[in-house]
Order: sequence, then C-alpha cells, then structure tokens
Amino acid sequence: GENVEQHPSTLSVQEGDSAVIKCTYSDSASNYFPWYKQELGKRPQLIIDIRSNVGEKKDQRIAVTLNKTAKHFSLHITETQPEDSAVYFCAEGGNFNKFYFGSGTKLNVKP
Amino acid sequence: GAVVSQHPSWVICKSGTSVKIECRSLDFQATTMFWYRQFPKQSLMLMATSNEGSKATYEQGVEKDKFLINHASLTLSTLTVTSAHPEDSSFYICSAAGSSMSNSPLHFGNGTRLTVT
Repeated sequence: GENVEQHPSTLSVQEGDSAVIKCTYSDSASNYFPWYKQELGKRPQLIIDIRSNVGEKKDQRIAVTLNKTAKHFSLHITETQPEDSAVYFCAEGGNFNKFYFGSGTKLNVKP
Repeated sequence: GAVVSQHPSWVICKSGTSVKIECRSLDFQATTMFWYRQFPKQSLMLMATSNEGSKATYEQGVEKDKFLINHASLTLSTLTVTSAHPEDSSFYICSAAGSSMSNSPLHFGNGTRLTVT
C-alpha cells in the first residue's frame, strides 16, 4: 500500500541516549518492513528489516519491533553515537518487492 | 553481492532537452527494477516499476510519456526524462531486489542528481 506514516520528522538526542522512530501502515497485505539510513547526498542503506512472521529483531544497537494487529512498527537505536546522525526511512512492502517509504526522520545525535 | 550501479551520478541539462539515466545490476539478474525520485528533504517517491521485456508500470500521477523506461535486459534499466524542465530537477534513484523472491531487501544505485537550468 501507499500509506506509510512516519514520526517524528526530526529527533534530537544526546549521545548515549536511545532513539525511537515509529511508522504505521494501512495495507494489511504488507509483510515486509525494512528500515533505511540515508546520509546527505547518498543512497539509502538497509540497516535492518523484519518480516511479518516475527515480532522483534535485534542487531547490536538496532532493533525493530512489529505489531501487525495494530499495523505499526518501530526502530529502536540504543547508545546513540554521533555517526548515527542521518535521515531514517521506514518502508513497507507486499508482493513483488514493491516498496513505499515513510516521510523520513532526521536524527541528530549531539555529542 | 547485489550491487546496483547507476550512471551518471549527476547531470546538468538545459530546459527542453532529454536526459538518460542508466541502472545496472552488476552481479545479479533483476527482472524487476524500481525508479524513485527524491526532492530535497523529502522521502523517496516510487515513480515506476521497470519490468524486463515488458512495459513499465507507472505510479499514479507519473507521466509515462515524460519518464520513458526501458528494461532491455536482465541487468539494465534506463530512465529517460524527456523535455526536461526545472521542476524535474531532483535526485533519481534506481533499485533492484537481490532475489527474485518476494520481500527481498532493495539495493539502491548511487542516484543521479539532475539539475535542469
């Protein structure tokens, strides 16, 4: 589906704190939810993804949770570092690898 | 693996001219590629799905006669912006799935920054 809402649009945290970004979607057929990190002028880079048969996935300081009933999923970054500063996009996809992206969250980690 | 190459990385053209952008999958075959457009400080907007050997599928609001897509082989898709105007200035990014399976991670090209003067 095309309706993916992402919040907040900007997020400023102190180094070492946690950051949480949330997305909601409307298409119940969606079953794949990746998160991308984009630095200024560069292409998006996949940082973590989750499929609908899993509720939570963790990779070091990054975790993603999915609530399929409520149709929302979240990105959690713990122990944030200045190099985590970037724009983060959630996305949702169903069949045929067709993805729609959220509006993006600009994360600023203050040293 | 799953490298997507996009060329050129930037282009400046005059209003009214056409610009071609190439997207190649270097180490895998991509029956389907996707073209996105990103305006400054905005999200990636899906423009069209490029299908090898058949016509592209365009998203609502995207003019198919203005944004010509050709997917000539399993490793190459091209996007031609015809009769470009300043409002077409944007960051265009192609992507492809590294697997033919549904719900595979998308791998993006480096993007093409188009400036129309």
